[in-house]
Amino acid sequence: GAGVSQSPSNKVTEKGKDVELRCDPISGHTALYWYRQSLGQGLEFLIYFQGNSAPDKSGLPSDRFSAERTGGSVSTLTIQRTQQEDSAVYLCASSLVTGGANSPLHFGNGTRLTVT
Amino acid sequence: GNSVTQMEGPVTLSEEAFLTINCTYTATGYPSLFWYVQYPGEGLQLLLKATKADDKGSNKGFEATYRKETTSFHLEKGSVQVSDSAVYFCALNEAGGGADGLTFGKGTHLIIQP
Repeated sequence: GAGVSQSPSNKVTEKGKDVELRCDPISGHTALYWYRQSLGQGLEFLIYFQGNSAPDKSGLPSDRFSAERTGGSVSTLTIQRTQQEDSAVYLCASSLVTGGANSPLHFGNGTRLTVT
Repeated sequence: GNSVTQMEGPVTLSEEAFLTINCTYTATGYPSLFWYVQYPGEGLQLLLKATKADDKGSNKGFEATYRKETTSFHLEKGSVQVSDSAVYFCALNEAGGGADGLTFGKGTHLIIQP
């Protein structure tokens, strides 16, 4: 497809389990972002990948969160030992290059994670 | 650091009413400004953008003007429709700022009643 694809669209997991969320960015986009959207909290930046550079992990809330991007394309966000406060919609976005108005972000539809 | 402040919702209007969603920003440099819209169950989509002072972005009947003197980028529409019900995010992006340069407001939930 032409857009950013995220899977699964919904995930229900038990507290303490690990989960993996997947993002397929638009082909050719070098920048990839993960955000978390909690009810009433807006968008919380998690992690950013730009080409082959080391990722900017400054937004990850704890060491239970990690992400990788293989081959500069598909990205996986992993949450270990999930907690109920991890319940949120996780959004992935990609852009052609970073910075500036000519490279706006293209978002996927998100993965809604519910930790019971 | 950079920040974006927008009016909190929900904002409830009747169909055909005039809409204004306020957005102000602080930035260390000279950012580009954006409005994104999120329809129910979907990701964010770029609605409009402006790259320099006094630029007006427009799309789907929505407009916003980059006001450097008041550091504002208010979103307006003359006559809203039920289909405009969504969450609207104001954002700024400093050129070359990477992830740190991209800042979103908390979003304004707009509800249009028939």
